[in-house]
This record gives sequence, structure tokens and C-alpha cells, in this order.
Amino acid sequence: GAGVSQSPRYKVAKRGQDVALRCDPISGHVSLFWYQQALGQGPEFLTYFQNEAQLDKSGLPSDRFFAERPEGSVSTLKIQRTQQEDSAVYLCASSQRDTEAFFGQGTRLTVV
Amino acid sequence: GENVEQHPSTLSVQEGDSAVIKCTYSDSASNYFPWYKQELGKRPQLIIDIRSNVGEKKDQRIAVTLNKTAKHFSLHITETQPEDSAVYFCAANDFNKFYFGSGTKLNVKP
Repeated sequence: GAGVSQSPRYKVAKRGQDVALRCDPISGHVSLFWYQQALGQGPEFLTYFQNEAQLDKSGLPSDRFFAERPEGSVSTLKIQRTQQEDSAVYLCASSQRDTEAFFGQGTRLTVV
Repeated sequence: GENVEQHPSTLSVQEGDSAVIKCTYSDSASNYFPWYKQELGKRPQLIIDIRSNVGEKKDQRIAVTLNKTAKHFSLHITETQPEDSAVYFCAANDFNKFYFGSGTKLNVKP
């Protein structure tokens, strides 16, 4: 596709439910990032992939958060046993090495 | 990891005036500094970037300056227009990871 695509755009989850957020990066982009953006804040780094390798997951807030990119293209961010503080916009971005990061439109997660 | 601080958090200017947003970073290894504009409900989009081997870059009404010694960089918007109203984020790239500032909400009053 022409840009980074994320699905779903909106997700409402009951507290305790598991969710999976999908990111389709720009074809050929080696690097893929996940960010969490709370209302009125800048994006907070969660995790980073180079191809299929998860090189840094230091930003994942707890072991309930898990990300994968098994074939080096599509990535999934999974949140288990969602809690209210997980409510945020989850942004995915992809880039070539050391160049502009292109963002998806994000998934707005609301935990009720 | 990298720590990026951004100021001010909000900025209100009159149409036609200039706006300046400042960021500092902590890791001297960072070598790429993009600026993103995010309109309400939309994705962040790159407006200008600068690499560590350059001190200044300009693109029409937008310019960015970088001081590597002091580890700070700034965004300058001249002749502001109402459509410049948005949230602006600075970022520093440290070993292929982007770290963002907390954002500046710019309001340009007509």
C-alpha cells in the first residue's frame, strides 16, 4: 500500500479482555515502531523491530504487552487482560534506516 | 535511552508573527532530528528534519537549527497562518529508535 495501515481504527474492550492491534508497514521498510500516545501527550516508545527481530522492547509497560513481526512485515501488538490505564492511541510507524518515520493513523483503544 | 524535552507546551501567536519551539536531548549519539505536525485526530506527519552534520535547514516558512554542543534544536515558523495551528513534536533518533518530545500546541489567531 501507499502508507502505513493500522487496524482496527477504534477498539472498545472490557477490562480484562485481550486485544490485538495490527500494523501493515510500508513495503520494504526495515524498521517498525510501536508507540503509545495518551491524550495531549507525545508518542511514547513501546518497542522496535528491525525486520523480524525485536531489538528493543524496553518501552512495553508490563508483561501484559507483547509484540511480534514474524515475517518482517506485518506486526501485531497484543495486550492481555486490558486495564483502564491502557486506554490510549497506539501508533505504528515504519522507516528505512535512519530516515523519516511514517506513521499510521493509529488505533484508539478504550478500556471500559 | 534518550530523553527529549520540549518547550513550551502551548504557544499562542497572532497571524503573521513568528513561532519558536525548542527541544533538548540527552544522548550525544543521536544523529537525526525530525519535526512532526499532528492535527487533531490525525497521524503525525513530518514537516522538516535535520541531521547532526548540519547546523541549520530551511524550507519556505519553516526552519530548524541544531546546536550539537548544547544538545538542543529548535523549530522556527515565520509568517504564521491559521492553518499552522496544530500540535508539533520534536524527536531524536538514537540507534534507529525515535524518542519524542511531549508536544507543543500552537494556536495561530487570525
